[in-house]
Amino acid sequence: GQNIDQPTEMTATEGAIVQINCTYQTSGFNGLFWYQQHAGEAPTFLSYNVLDGLEEKGRFSSFLSRSKGYSYLLLKELQMKDSASYLCAVSRDYKLSFGAGTTVTVRA
Amino acid sequence: SAVISQKPSRDICQRGTSLTIQCQVDSQVTMMFWYRQQPGQSLTLIATANQGSEATYESGFVIDKFPISRPNLTFSTLTVSNMSPEDSSIYLCSVDDSSIPGTDTQYFGPGTRLTVL
Repeated sequence: GQNIDQPTEMTATEGAIVQINCTYQTSGFNGLFWYQQHAGEAPTFLSYNVLDGLEEKGRFSSFLSRSKGYSYLLLKELQMKDSASYLCAVSRDYKLSFGAGTTVTVRA
Repeated sequence: SAVISQKPSRDICQRGTSLTIQCQVDSQVTMMFWYRQQPGQSLTLIATANQGSEATYESGFVIDKFPISRPNLTFSTLTVSNMSPEDSSIYLCSVDDSSIPGTDTQYFGPGTRLTVL
């Protein structure tokens, strides 16, 4: 099985930086994904890490350490539209297991 | 990425009835999946829809309750059978985008919001 843990909620100010941590325990690993989900909408793909290190995509970056079973999603220059749930998901045998999600609230 | 549509987008159903949800993709994809997202919770994989063979169900989900069809590489259906209020949830299909080899990236349809009275 897989245990995937991430904080339930985070609050930050517009323009600031927020880091969402995700720890996982898995018996197999094909990669780690981050998805963004706005209320009432489907999850949208943000990032994918399969090797250790940092992947940067504009304002969003994702980091992976396979030996530590640890990832984070970094959101820079926060905007109001970034208020959403962020889901960490681990891939094993092409199937995804999701964490419970972190609700990020951006305040003006 | 593939464009995915689902029908219906939402429905309100009576206890004991069944509802079939359709998932259509605008391109051929190898892997299609069905997930459930109960209120306030994250996504749980129900099954992998296999083209030309029976779906592969995850622990806790059975074919009698959630029969799945996958007649071709662009279409799948999920039926929620003999519904109870506990089946009230959002049901999402996803596809593995084979155009990005080796990443297993999944893209999600818009979801079907089901309420069972």
